[in-house]
Amino acid sequence: GENVEQHPSTLSVQEGDSAVIKCTYSDSASNYFPWYKQELGKRPQLIIDIRSNVGEKKDQRIAVTLNKTAKHFSLHITETQPEDSAVYFCAASSDGQNFVFGPGTRLSVLP
Amino acid sequence: KAGVTQTPRYLIKTRGQQVTLSCSPISGHRSVSWYQQTPGQGLQFLFEYFSETQRNKGNFPGRFSGRQFSNSRSEMNVSTLELGDSALYLCASSWSGRDKETQYFGPGTRLLVL
Repeated sequence: GENVEQHPSTLSVQEGDSAVIKCTYSDSASNYFPWYKQELGKRPQLIIDIRSNVGEKKDQRIAVTLNKTAKHFSLHITETQPEDSAVYFCAASSDGQNFVFGPGTRLSVLP
Repeated sequence: KAGVTQTPRYLIKTRGQQVTLSCSPISGHRSVSWYQQTPGQGLQFLFEYFSETQRNKGNFPGRFSGRQFSNSRSEMNVSTLELGDSALYLCASSWSGRDKETQYFGPGTRLLVL
């Protein structure tokens, strides 16, 4: 089955700096890769996703890149703000089934 | 459109009891997945239902079961509760059509087993 690894497990950055979180997956059939942000005590919220026919996608300060050959995808947050502090989860899925999540990255943005 | 809802939000049970959790998906979504979230294990997949049928199942014992109704609402049942079952139980719904895989989470049910 699919296995998703995520690094780093914790990340601290200064406000205004960039943050990068990387994930790898094992199943070449996976074709949909969402990223979720979970603030303390709240549900995971989808923040960006990418499908296998796209190499990069941007939404304001957030971008995701996908390398299908290497089976890895990354989340990039630029100009980080204190409200970006949360746990971020990556996931891999095949056609909307079998969502497998990474273990999460705790991002702290220091003022 | 209303989001995914889960009831109850909080629950306290004792060992050996059973519990039933409920999830109402976003209108039109036919797939409902259940996850267990704990600090140590992260998000672990329990099972997924689509059109009243269990389509996928994670590595959890048979004490964990579920079902889905014709209106796509889903219930999850845990029998003979153990202390280790204390967790946040999240459900997520999606259209499950080919180009609409986006999965949306409910607020979760926080279960404490004493």
